[in-house]
Amino acid sequence: DTAVSQTPKYLVTQMGNDKSIKCEQNLGHDTMYWYKQDSKKFLKIMFSYNNKELIINETVPNRFSPKSPDKAHLNLHINSLELGDSAVYFCASSQEWRGPSGNNEQFFGPGTRLTVL
Amino acid sequence: RKEVEQDPGPFNVPEGATVAFNCTYSNSASQSFFWYRQDCRKEPKLLMSVYSSGNEDGRFTAQLNRASQYISLLIRDSKLSDSATYLCVVIPRHSGAGSYQLTFGKGTKLSVIP
Repeated sequence: DTAVSQTPKYLVTQMGNDKSIKCEQNLGHDTMYWYKQDSKKFLKIMFSYNNKELIINETVPNRFSPKSPDKAHLNLHINSLELGDSAVYFCASSQEWRGPSGNNEQFFGPGTRLTVL
Repeated sequence: RKEVEQDPGPFNVPEGATVAFNCTYSNSASQSFFWYRQDCRKEPKLLMSVYSSGNEDGRFTAQLNRASQYISLLIRDSKLSDSATYLCVVIPRHSGAGSYQLTFGKGTKLSVIP
């Protein structure tokens, strides 16, 4: 029944390692996103994909590589992890843009809490 | 100037109180406005959209002032379950090809006390 799911929920790893976070949505949405919430609780967009195509890439280091094998999945791979990558990563999905007065709700997954030691 | 600014709080209010949160945004071309709610260690969830004419959903009232680039949320008759962080959210532009970017404020923390 979960609309947007992410795995793992918690990820603890050493600096320099490579890790992946998986995201799946069963809402039939065409658009998926990755957001990062840092230690100060500030949520910021990282990427968005529409129909498996990258649309938004907000000056994220190229150590972060999103991959969308199909419309229902958007995975995030991180190479050479750094201490500053410690954060909560949220996946989200939405229907297409419905105009300024439309229903433009984004649905968030439960988050992946990444700790880099 | 930050894109979306909010008073971080915390706001500590007794049950039954009325509390108001304010938010300002810097991009005058912003298209859509929302309040999201985030419980501790949980994901953000949409509370309500904010329309130019103002809108109400039960105990919650949202207002938008485009001229002042200002958004507000009023909560009446506060409940313990209203304790959360309230995030002011703006869509600064339509990014094309169906997707759009949410820009979040840092959130205002509300604690409703028995």
